[in-house]
Amino acid sequence: DAGVTQSPTHLIKTRGQHVTLRCSPISGHKSVSWYQQVLGQGPQFIFQYYEKEERGRGNFPDRFSARQFPNYSSELNVNALLLGDSALYLCASSLLSGRAGTGELFFGEGSRLTVL
Amino acid sequence: GDSVTQMEGPVTLSEEAFLTINCTYTATGYPSLFWYVQYPGEGLQLLLKATKADDKGSNKGFEATYRKETTSFHLEKGSVQVSDSAVYFCALSEGNYGGSQGNLIFGKGTKLSVKP
Repeated sequence: DAGVTQSPTHLIKTRGQHVTLRCSPISGHKSVSWYQQVLGQGPQFIFQYYEKEERGRGNFPDRFSARQFPNYSSELNVNALLLGDSALYLCASSLLSGRAGTGELFFGEGSRLTVL
Repeated sequence: GDSVTQMEGPVTLSEEAFLTINCTYTATGYPSLFWYVQYPGEGLQLLLKATKADDKGSNKGFEATYRKETTSFHLEKGSVQVSDSAVYFCALSEGNYGGSQGNLIFGKGTKLSVKP
């Protein structure tokens, strides 16, 4: 079975542009989360979606938005790019278990965004 | 807010040496605790987890015990191999049903290099 797939794998943008990153979860997984990983740091939570509804949002500005589609794939959009948005953007999918917080997140390999 | 602190790297060991990577956390409630590993050029993978106090997670020779009294979840392995070279992340999940399952709080990561 395919794992979590993300596209594009690498991209370069200039300040002020916008970017759309895409994620396909593992088949059967209904929850998708997005993380930002700046070089040398741990991943920072951006969003979680489940059944097309936002279930959680991290401390990121409104320039960041996301959505989940009926097939459970997801997009992360970032507007008005800043140099500081340069990072590896990770998507993770999961099955929600009956007991909260015990499920495993399956991560994709990420989309590396460079803002010049 | 909740946070995770792990020992800074890089850590360099010889093959068959004993490994400890310290991790402490601050959280309200009863979080679940995780260790994720990121091998070079790959996405994050769950290594092990523990969902309640005194639980021991184990996988591939690695172990970590959830110590509520010391708010710690130290990662250990008795004999490391070159193939264990990777970045290791300690993380916690707040454990509220469903909505926050995708919201993991990560430490900054510890890079481990194992020399033959």
